[in-house]
Amino acid sequence: GQNIDQPTEMTATEGAIVQINCTYQTSGFNGLFWYQQHAGEAPTFLSYNVLDGLEEKGRFSSFLSRSKGYSYLLLKELQMKDSASYLCAVSPPSGGYNKLIFGAGTRLAVHP
Amino acid sequence: DAGVTQSPTHLIKTRGQQVTLRCSPKSGHDTVSWYQQALGQGPQFIFQYYEEEERQRGNFPDRFSGHQFPNYSSELNVNALLLGDSALYLCASRKGRSGELFFGEGSRLTVL
Repeated sequence: GQNIDQPTEMTATEGAIVQINCTYQTSGFNGLFWYQQHAGEAPTFLSYNVLDGLEEKGRFSSFLSRSKGYSYLLLKELQMKDSASYLCAVSPPSGGYNKLIFGAGTRLAVHP
Repeated sequence: DAGVTQSPTHLIKTRGQQVTLRCSPKSGHDTVSWYQQALGQGPQFIFQYYEEEERQRGNFPDRFSGHQFPNYSSELNVNALLLGDSALYLCASRKGRSGELFFGEGSRLTVL
């Protein structure tokens, strides 16, 4: 089966950098996704990692280590609008990319 | 270009009743998945439809059923509602097996 762990809550200051960690135990693995979800809104895709290493996309970067079962999402130059839940999800080998297994999410609060 | 649209946005039912939720995928998308998101949790995969057939199913009882129509839109039906079925029901779509998964804003179901 799959088990995904991420911190429940984090706080950070506007303009700073924050790293949200995600660890997973899975019997198989297609790739790892990060989604952002503002309260009352749809989750929106941020990044996808299938190989080890860092993927950079503007202010957002995501890192994956398959051997360690570990990923992180790095948010730079934080803005107030980055206050949201950040969901880590894995794609199991049997599920293709439609069946994602999500963690409970990390609620990030950005303050001035 | 409209994204994934869901209806209704909110609804209240009582235990034992039945509910039908509807989803129109993003234009050009042919695969629809449904997720259940309890308060403070990440989304949980219910099932996925492609070419009008259920292709994959998560750990949900038979009370949860669905349908996909020739125009790719989809319905989620839940029978014999329980209090624990109260959640946000998210529909997600993609084109085939590649590309990111786009989520709708969900239907919030409250069971009293």
